[in-house]
Amino acid sequence: DTAVSQTPKYLVTQMGNDKSIKCEQNLGHDTMYWYKQDSKKFLKIMFSYNNKELIINETVPNRFSPKSPDKAHLNLHINSLELGDSAVYFCASSQGGAGGVTEAFFGQGTRLTVV
Amino acid sequence: QQPVQSPQAVILREGEDAVINCSSSKALYSVHWYRQKHGEAPVFLMILLKGGEQKGHEKISASFNEKKQQSSLYLTASQLSYSGTYFCGTEYRGSTLGRLYFGRGTQLTVWP
Repeated sequence: DTAVSQTPKYLVTQMGNDKSIKCEQNLGHDTMYWYKQDSKKFLKIMFSYNNKELIINETVPNRFSPKSPDKAHLNLHINSLELGDSAVYFCASSQGGAGGVTEAFFGQGTRLTVV
Repeated sequence: QQPVQSPQAVILREGEDAVINCSSSKALYSVHWYRQKHGEAPVFLMILLKGGEQKGHEKISASFNEKKQQSSLYLTASQLSYSGTYFCGTEYRGSTLGRLYFGRGTQLTVWP
C-alpha cells in the first residue's frame, strides 16, 4: 500500500498547455504539501494545506492552483505552462500544521518536462 | 527562508565519518533530516524538537543546538548505502509553524 501516491510519474507537454498532477495519501494526515525540486535539487515549498485549507502559498505564480477536495487529496493544476516549470514536483503529507510538523512522507514525484 | 547547509558535497571511503551542518538565521522550532537517493523521493531520517536534543538512527545521529540555531548530522563508519543527498528541513518559531523549509542539500558519495 503506497502511503502517498502521485500521478502521473512523468509528464511531457508543450508550452502553453494546462496540466494537472494528482496526489492522494492514505495515512490519515491532516497536512499536505507541494514541493518543486529543480535541476539543482533545491526542494522549494509551494503550497501547504491543513485540513483542506490553504495555510501556505509561497511566492508561486498564480498559474499554479492547488485544490484539496478532501483531507486525503491535494491536486496541482498548472495553466499556461512555461519552460521554467520543468522540474520534479513532490507531494508530501504529515500530521500537524500549526501544532508543528511531524515526519513528512513524500510521493514518488512527477517529472514535468515542458518543451 | 530556507536553512543553509554545508558542505555542498562530501566524498568518503567506506568506513569514514562525515558531518553535515544546517544553520538558520531565524529561531528554530524543529529540525528534520531526510535522505534522497537518485531518482527517488526524500525519506525521513529523524526530527529534533528541543534544543540540545540528540537522536540516533543506526550509525546516523543528529544534534540540535537551539541557541546557535544549528543542527548537525553525523554519519559514522559510512556504508555504500549512505550515498545520496541529505536535506535538513526546518520549522521556525512563531506564526510560521506548519511550514517545512528545506536546505539546498548535501550530496554524499561513499566509495568502496
